[in-house]
Amino acid sequence: SAVISQKPSRDICQRGTSLTIQCQVDSQVTMMFWYRQQPGQSLTLIATANQGSEATYESGFVIDKFPISRPNLTFSTLTVSNMSPEDSSIYLCSVSGIQETQYFGPGTRLLVL
Amino acid sequence: EDQVTQSPEALRLQEGESSSLNCSYTVSGLRGLFWYRQDPGKGPEFLFTLYSAGEEKEKERLKATLTKKESFLHITAPKPEDSATYLCAVQAFGNTPLVFGKGTRLSVIA
Repeated sequence: SAVISQKPSRDICQRGTSLTIQCQVDSQVTMMFWYRQQPGQSLTLIATANQGSEATYESGFVIDKFPISRPNLTFSTLTVSNMSPEDSSIYLCSVSGIQETQYFGPGTRLLVL
Repeated sequence: EDQVTQSPEALRLQEGESSSLNCSYTVSGLRGLFWYRQDPGKGPEFLFTLYSAGEEKEKERLKATLTKKESFLHITAPKPEDSATYLCAVQAFGNTPLVFGKGTRLSVIA
């Protein structure tokens, strides 16, 4: 399976600011996804990061709040904009082939004060 | 709407005490059911994929089974290092997103 890294691993941010999270994979992958895991909850898909085009967002998530880039087949970023304490969560990147098993990165633990 | 319900929410076992975790699901055409293990502060680690009713897969002390309505993760003679949250997810056909359950938090006491 691919080796996935995320930066930063954790951060503490002030409300109203923005944070960009990076996801790097050691090999080219077809699909890249961004998930959120709120305290005590399971994983919720934010969006599918598409290479060379706009991300596909799930219901309840919008581009203005969670802009995503995917400039190539091994890298993606997720920005959490205008943060509030409700955005405190673990943000996870995952990768897969088409209709194949998803593998997850180590996550970014975000606390918004 | 696709749904996944895991039970129990938390399970505490003595070392060597075998048990099972349950994952009940409803999905419009199952492409696959996935089990992951998640340690505190880490991302989910892939364990198994099951594709059709009757299928079974094993890895060390873990065995996953699948019926048309649910999956079980059997843990035989668990050790403290098996302590983690176990997540179940389903995916329908058509390149749809994974739908996760809330997980079962397993604690194995020496």
